[in-house]
Amino acid sequence: GENVEQHPSTLSVQEGDSAVIKCTYSDSASNYFPWYKQELGKGPQLIIDIRSNVGEKKDQRIAVTLNKTAKHFSLHITETQPEDSAVYFCAANRDTGRRALTFGSGTRLQVQP
Amino acid sequence: GAGVSQSPSNKVTEKGKDVELRCDPISGHTALYWYRQSLGQGLEFLIYFQGNSAPDKSGLPSDRFSAERTGGSVSTLTIQRTQQEDSAVYLCASSHQGQGREQFFGPGTRLTVL
Repeated sequence: GENVEQHPSTLSVQEGDSAVIKCTYSDSASNYFPWYKQELGKGPQLIIDIRSNVGEKKDQRIAVTLNKTAKHFSLHITETQPEDSAVYFCAANRDTGRRALTFGSGTRLQVQP
Repeated sequence: GAGVSQSPSNKVTEKGKDVELRCDPISGHTALYWYRQSLGQGLEFLIYFQGNSAPDKSGLPSDRFSAERTGGSVSTLTIQRTQQEDSAVYLCASSHQGQGREQFFGPGTRLTVL
């Protein structure tokens, strides 16, 4: 089955700096890679996703890059703000079968004001 | 519109008791998932329902866990003879297969087994 590894487990940055979180996956058939943000006491919320036919996607301060050959994808947050502080999860799945997401172990991002 | 709702938000039970957790998916979503999130960990897949197809139960950790989905909408996750290691946040998600892949998550039920 799919295995997703995520690094770092914790990340502390100063407000205004950039943050990068990296994930690798094992199943070459995976073709959908979402990123979720989870705030304390809440369920995960999708912030951006990318499909395997695209190498990069941006949405304002957030971008995701995908390297299919190396089987890794990354989340980039620019101009970080205190409200970006949360736990971020990467995930992967494929078109066939149950489509249940396989999640990374999460990154706790702390943006220092 | 209304998102995924789950109840109760918190449940404290004694070891050996049975518990039922409820999920109300977004109306019209044909796919429903249950995940478990242990303290400080990622999300672990438990079970998946898609329309009228047989559920995928491959993620259930033991036969003490079961789930059903009635009328293609509300789902109930049942844990029998709860153990302390069952303590976790149980998350439900739904999606509309065929229209994008996004899974929408509920707020979760925090289960504590004493």
